[in-house]
Amino acid sequence: SQTIHQWPATLVQPVGSPLSLECTVEGTSNPNLYWYRQAAGRGLQLLFYSVGIGQISSEVPQNLSASRPQDRQFILSSKKLLLSDSGFYLCAWRTGGWGYEQYFGPGTRLTVT
Amino acid sequence: LAKTTQPISMDSYEGQEVNITCSHNNIATNDYITWYQQFPSQGPRFIIQGYKTKVTNEVASLFIPADRKSSTLSLPRVSLSDTAVYYCLVGDIGDDKIIFGKGTRLHILP
Repeated sequence: SQTIHQWPATLVQPVGSPLSLECTVEGTSNPNLYWYRQAAGRGLQLLFYSVGIGQISSEVPQNLSASRPQDRQFILSSKKLLLSDSGFYLCAWRTGGWGYEQYFGPGTRLTVT
Repeated sequence: LAKTTQPISMDSYEGQEVNITCSHNNIATNDYITWYQQFPSQGPRFIIQGYKTKVTNEVASLFIPADRKSSTLSLPRVSLSDTAVYYCLVGDIGDDKIIFGKGTRLHILP
């Protein structure tokens, strides 16, 4: 069966510090991968998605970036965090090219202080 | 991606049937309608998906009229544990980009 991992679960970082969040998927090949952010009490904001290794589509460029170095690995990064980057970061996958059924990871709660 | 409109929030009582309607006037021929449920501090969970008429699974039913410009998610006999945010998504199932709207915050009262 498929499993999606995210780490860390929680993170507290000072403004201006770098960020690296990692997501890995097991049990599937060539998935579409997604990064979403959810601010407190708000809806999900699509940040990036990827349909294959090295292929990244950005919805919210700002100070965030994403990379997909391996088929089932998706990394979200920032060189300098802003207070507004605080939120709940969710990684998701779905079978490429079919269906809206996405599977979400457990999420990372990021607090920028 | 068709734009969707849902109520911001709804309240209901345990044991009641809850119907959440989603409006999607610009739905395209190839678009499907998908609903997700999200509990606090968790990612959304797929509930149901349909194209037309009625779809039912062990969790919910989805009613889609012939013109497909709206859809209704029906949750039978809700319990307190059904308190969550429910999202309606409309799009071509071949689309790579998937965007969530604001959803409907459902609050079940005892």
